[in-house]
Amino acid sequence: GAGVSQSPRYKVAKRGQDVALRCDPISGHVSLFWYQQALGQGPEFLTYFQNEAQLDKSGLPSDRFFAERPEGSVSTLKIQRTQQEDSAVYLCASSSRDRGSTGELFFGEGSRLTVL
Amino acid sequence: GQQLNQSPQSMFIQEGEDVSMNCTSSSIFNTWLWYKQEPGEGPVLLIALYKAGELTSNGRLTAQFGITRKDSFLNISASIPSDVGIYFCAGLWSSGNTPLVFGKGTRLSVIA
Repeated sequence: GAGVSQSPRYKVAKRGQDVALRCDPISGHVSLFWYQQALGQGPEFLTYFQNEAQLDKSGLPSDRFFAERPEGSVSTLKIQRTQQEDSAVYLCASSSRDRGSTGELFFGEGSRLTVL
Repeated sequence: GQQLNQSPQSMFIQEGEDVSMNCTSSSIFNTWLWYKQEPGEGPVLLIALYKAGELTSNGRLTAQFGITRKDSFLNISASIPSDVGIYFCAGLWSSGNTPLVFGKGTRLSVIA
């Protein structure tokens, strides 16, 4: 498809399990962002990639969160030893321009993570 | 960190009415944007504003970048049922090194 694709759309994990969330950005988009959206809140920044380089990971809440984009296209957000407070929608967004140029992002539908 | 305050948090309006919502910040932003999110979907960009004082329209939507660079508002004229959703303001503080910051959203319900 032409848009940002995320999978899985829904994930239920037991506390302590590891999860991996995938993002397939719009083809050719150099910038890729991960955001976390808790229920009833706005999206909160997690991390930013320009091509394969992770230029900003200041929003990652703990060292249990890890993201990669090894070939500058598909990205994976991994959460180790999930906790209940990790329950949220994880949004991926991409842009054809570098981060500083614009805030015009194209978002995927999100991956809703529920940790029991 | 930087925070955006959106108001109102929610609103219920009759179809055909005009809607106004706003967003304020304690920090100056160089770019203001308005996104809309529908249930089960990601946010979709509605309007982007790049200059203080700028007034931009997109169909029935009009947004303004406040001259102090610390606020923005969004107006929707003649609301229709498909306007239902959550409207987020977002600000970009400077070029290059800071992430896009979102408000908590205004939930709009339209009564037919």
